[in-house]
Amino acid sequence: DAKTTQPTSMDCAEGRAANLPCNHSTISGNEYVYWYRQIHSQGPQYIIHGLKNNETNEMASLIITEDRKSSTLILPHATLRDTAVYYCIVRVAGAGSYQLTFGKGTKLSVIP
Amino acid sequence: GAGVSQSPSNKVTEKGKDVELRCDPISGHTALYWYRQSLGQGLEFLIYFQGNSAPDKSGLPSDRFSAERTGGSVSTLTIQRTQQEDSAVYLCASSAGLGTGRNEQFFGPGTRLTVL
Repeated sequence: DAKTTQPTSMDCAEGRAANLPCNHSTISGNEYVYWYRQIHSQGPQYIIHGLKNNETNEMASLIITEDRKSSTLILPHATLRDTAVYYCIVRVAGAGSYQLTFGKGTKLSVIP
Repeated sequence: GAGVSQSPSNKVTEKGKDVELRCDPISGHTALYWYRQSLGQGLEFLIYFQGNSAPDKSGLPSDRFSAERTGGSVSTLTIQRTQQEDSAVYLCASSAGLGTGRNEQFFGPGTRLTVL
């Protein structure tokens, strides 16, 4: 799986959009970008994933650059409950690529 | 609820004792994963099941660790002769399975194991 690079930490004001960047310059054509988060003392939570098109669901939006070397997770209206460590993971969504490899992620702090 | 459940939520044991940790995956999910997370550390992959088979056990840290899955559903992770370094949160996840195109993993709340 391709390696990802994320900032160690970020702050965001409550109610504002949180934009979390991820670099994955060695991504292969068949690798997807997945985002998970882990709120303190809880198990990781799946957020969203995408291949090359931008994706949106009830939790967030995922913007992937045209060259696929980077992406941004957007939480449109951050709340205090969004304070968590956010993990960007690049992996092949198919046979033989089942385990998730979590890096250090970005610790997002939502400030009142 | 429809999520992944794990039991017990907390387990305190003495060094040298055996422990069993249980995972109930989301109904219909054929793939099941065990991870562990030591204090302040990232997630460490342990083992993966597709149905009742475990094609990859490479993450198990020693032969004191074993896991089984029966009926394509419930899984048990067993740690024999526990050591203090086994203290961690053990997390279980499930996904719809290979070939379904749905490989998102959904995690349970974890079992916090403390070995005294």
